[in-house]
Amino acid sequence: LAKTTQPISMDSYEGQEVNITCSHNNIATNDYITWYQQFPSQGPRFIIQGYKTKVTNEVASLFIPADRKSSTLSLPRVSLSDTAVYYCLVGDKGGATNKLIFGTGTLLAVQP
Amino acid sequence: DTGVSQDPRHKITKRGQNVTFRCDPISEHNRLYWYRQTLGQGPEFLTYFQNEAQLEKSRLLSDRFSAERPKGSFSTLEIQRTEQGDSAMYLCASSFSQGHSYEQYFGPGTRLTVT
Repeated sequence: LAKTTQPISMDSYEGQEVNITCSHNNIATNDYITWYQQFPSQGPRFIIQGYKTKVTNEVASLFIPADRKSSTLSLPRVSLSDTAVYYCLVGDKGGATNKLIFGTGTLLAVQP
Repeated sequence: DTGVSQDPRHKITKRGQNVTFRCDPISEHNRLYWYRQTLGQGPEFLTYFQNEAQLEKSRLLSDRFSAERPKGSFSTLEIQRTEQGDSAMYLCASSFSQGHSYEQYFGPGTRLTVT
């Protein structure tokens, strides 16, 4: 199965840029890489999705190298409300491409 | 549209009992997913429907688990003969996706406690 790993936690201050990396060594060839944010006792919320190179939307950027074995979520100028757990989601190359694997999750703590 | 809804939000049951959860996806979404999440862990994929067809099931979904999506609308997840290890948050998500895109919208989850 695909193994997706992330740093367990990260600390930041308000106004800083935060980069969270996910390693996915066995990603399915045609699958997109998707990132989610989750607050306690809530379902995950979609942030951004990409296939390769760079994608940017109004809240984040996603950087994907050519080999697609990792991806980096970039949050510009974080605020206290960005304190949450962040997950990457990829499809598994080992089995059916519809079998989805969430990363281990990164707890981002933003301090004033 | 009010988003993905799940019912009930909380369920406490005794070991050995059967439970059923319901998920109502966003109305125009063709895909529906079920996940299980335990405390401190990421969601674990259980199963996935495209319209009414169940396209994939995880090995985590033992014979005691079954999911349906009649007519490609709402879905139910049933757990028979519950065990304490089934205690978790059960999340449903839906998407209107083509191909290998996984932009999903999640419901609030059903928290199951097996005593």
